Amino acid sequence: DGGITQSPKYLFRKEGQNVTLSCEQNLNHDAMYWYRQDPGQGLRLIYYSQIVNDFQKGDIAEGYSVSREKKESFPLTVTSAQKNPTAFYLCASSIETLSYNEQFFGPGTRLTVL
Amino acid sequence: KQEVTQIPAALSVPEGENLVLNCSFTDSAIYNLQWFRQDPGKGLTSLLLIQSSQREQTSGRLNASLDKSSGRSTLYIAASQPGDSATYLCAVSNFGNEKLTFGTGTRLTIIP
Repeated sequence: DGGITQSPKYLFRKEGQNVTLSCEQNLNHDAMYWYRQDPGQGLRLIYYSQIVNDFQKGDIAEGYSVSREKKESFPLTVTSAQKNPTAFYLCASSIETLSYNEQFFGPGTRLTVL
Repeated sequence: KQEVTQIPAALSVPEGENLVLNCSFTDSAIYNLQWFRQDPGKGLTSLLLIQSSQREQTSGRLNASLDKSSGRSTLYIAASQPGDSATYLCAVSNFGNEKLTFGTGTRLTIIP
């Protein structure tokens, strides 16, 4: 059963803590992405990776870090430097051809700062 | 910088009606455009993808059109059903840039 999994579904963080969100895909996609969704603001790109051991900052990378050691995995760490981390986090992967780049999304992780 | 707008933010229609959702974008040099559906608290489900060389795509009761010259796309839903109630998001990518730029979505409610 191919797809993208994210864990945990819900995550609670105390101020000053780092937390890591998991994203795994078995679609054999090269590219993976992390987005943040806030009410009324749409999705904003945090980081993306087009190939193993390489990643690029998105529009709102400050306070976040990522790694891409395996093609299937793209974990996101929310650090204590992120001042307003409460949000819904979505991971995606994409298949890219000469004609299009289609993204597919995981079920999301809701992070709440206590 | 690409900007994507979806108006209205919310729409309610009676069951059985046909409806159109709108998406506009500022930079016409797009690579492709995707329409997504999002149920409350869930991830995004890809509905349709239109390549820059295409004018429309169809899947079941859904039809998406693309007019790059005017910077517009529409998602047509035929014979709406209560199960169509969700937020519909439009997103575009530009040539040389794999990133998607999203609109803020239209929250659709189908009234039984």
